[in-house]
Amino acid sequence: DAKTTQPTSMDCAEGRAANLPCNHSTISGNEYVYWYRQIHSQGPQYIIHGLKNNETNEMASLIITEDRKSSTLILPHATLRDTAVYYCIEANSGYSTLTFGKGTMLLVSP
Amino acid sequence: DAGVIQSPRHEVTEMGQEVTLRCKPISGHNSLFWYRQTMMRGLELLIYFNNNVPIDDSGMPEDRFSAKMPNASFSTLKIQPSEPRDSAVYFCASSLSWWEFFGPGTRLTVL
Repeated sequence: DAKTTQPTSMDCAEGRAANLPCNHSTISGNEYVYWYRQIHSQGPQYIIHGLKNNETNEMASLIITEDRKSSTLILPHATLRDTAVYYCIEANSGYSTLTFGKGTMLLVSP
Repeated sequence: DAGVIQSPRHEVTEMGQEVTLRCKPISGHNSLFWYRQTMMRGLELLIYFNNNVPIDDSGMPEDRFSAKMPNASFSTLKIQPSEPRDSAVYFCASSLSWWEFFGPGTRLTVL
């Protein structure tokens, strides 16, 4: 079973920032926080991952609390194409299998 | 790069028939994964290969399912005999290190 907790759904207006929370209170010291998303009828897509420092790439930013028990994925300027299910996953570095939970369904509206 | 390639994209078959799903991972990747996605159970890992060797097949539901990776550029997932409850979208993914790249999936319908 997935060890992370995410809201079932969220709404966001196009052009605004989307902030998706995730709780991972049982994360261990060597586990990273990974975010993937799945657009309807497509395979999951990697977004970003981090250990304890905040991370940013061309897709999103990841903010991890100091105690590492929660994190927030930020899409700075959401577009309609960002409508998808977003999954927050704990996984070890290098290689580890992914356990997908139910994720958060983000709906971006005009 | 064409990404992970899966075939067929859609498969409709009758109960009892053999089904073979195919996957070509991204060139140079050394890990390959097969997942199954249904509304009821979500996205589940079936089996994971590293350097063509099966490492973890604990997610394979039963003996009717088998997976092979004869070389670094090809893998198959076979269901024999197929049953209606096998209807799902099957994804293949490959990885070199930090994250997985998923294919477009094969939608399987067993009548």
